Amino acid sequence: AQSVSQHNHHVILSEAASLELGCNYSYGGTVNLFWYVQYPGQHLQLLLKYFSGDPLVKGIKGFEAEFIKSKFSFNLRKPSVQWSDTAEYFCAVNARNTGKLIFGQGTTLQVKP
Amino acid sequence: GAGVSQSPSNKVTEKGKDVELRCDPISGHTALYWYRQSLGQGLEFLIYFQGNSAPDKSGLPSDRFSAERTGGSVSTLTIQRTQQEDSAVYLCASRSNRTSGDTQYFGPGTRLTVL
Repeated sequence: AQSVSQHNHHVILSEAASLELGCNYSYGGTVNLFWYVQYPGQHLQLLLKYFSGDPLVKGIKGFEAEFIKSKFSFNLRKPSVQWSDTAEYFCAVNARNTGKLIFGQGTTLQVKP
Repeated sequence: GAGVSQSPSNKVTEKGKDVELRCDPISGHTALYWYRQSLGQGLEFLIYFQGNSAPDKSGLPSDRFSAERTGGSVSTLTIQRTQQEDSAVYLCASRSNRTSGDTQYFGPGTRLTVL
């Protein structure tokens, strides 16, 4: 069965600190990988996604993620966080035949000004 | 353009009552998904509609849950004889039909509270 594991449940950083959120998945086939973000009081929205090609994916707001197939990982990074990055972050994998998303448990990021 | 809309935004009901939650997908999106977000379980897939194909109901937690999609557009998720463990935020998402990996656009959700 597919599963997604996010290592950090709650992260607290100061502004300008670097961020890395871990994500590992378990799936036997070809996958698409996603990071979604949910800002306080807002909808889930896509941060970035990986389909194929360059394993280093760049998304909105300076975020990037690297797909490492051998490690089944898709970690999210940002070199310098801002207070406005305070949100909950979800890693997800989808089944290519249906597109249904399997989400990790989420990581709450709190950035202190 | 308009995004995915859901109604009601909040629903409080008594245990044992039936509830209906509505989703209006983005116009032209043929794929529609329901997910549930709860404290204990995180974000879980419930059901998936694609065009006129039979829906993928593999995520529905019990036979009290059902969903339909009329005319390939609006979808209704029905929960019969609600239980307290059904309390959660129910999210709807839609995507275009180009590829299964296309972005899913989420609605604001319906927060269901079962007393």
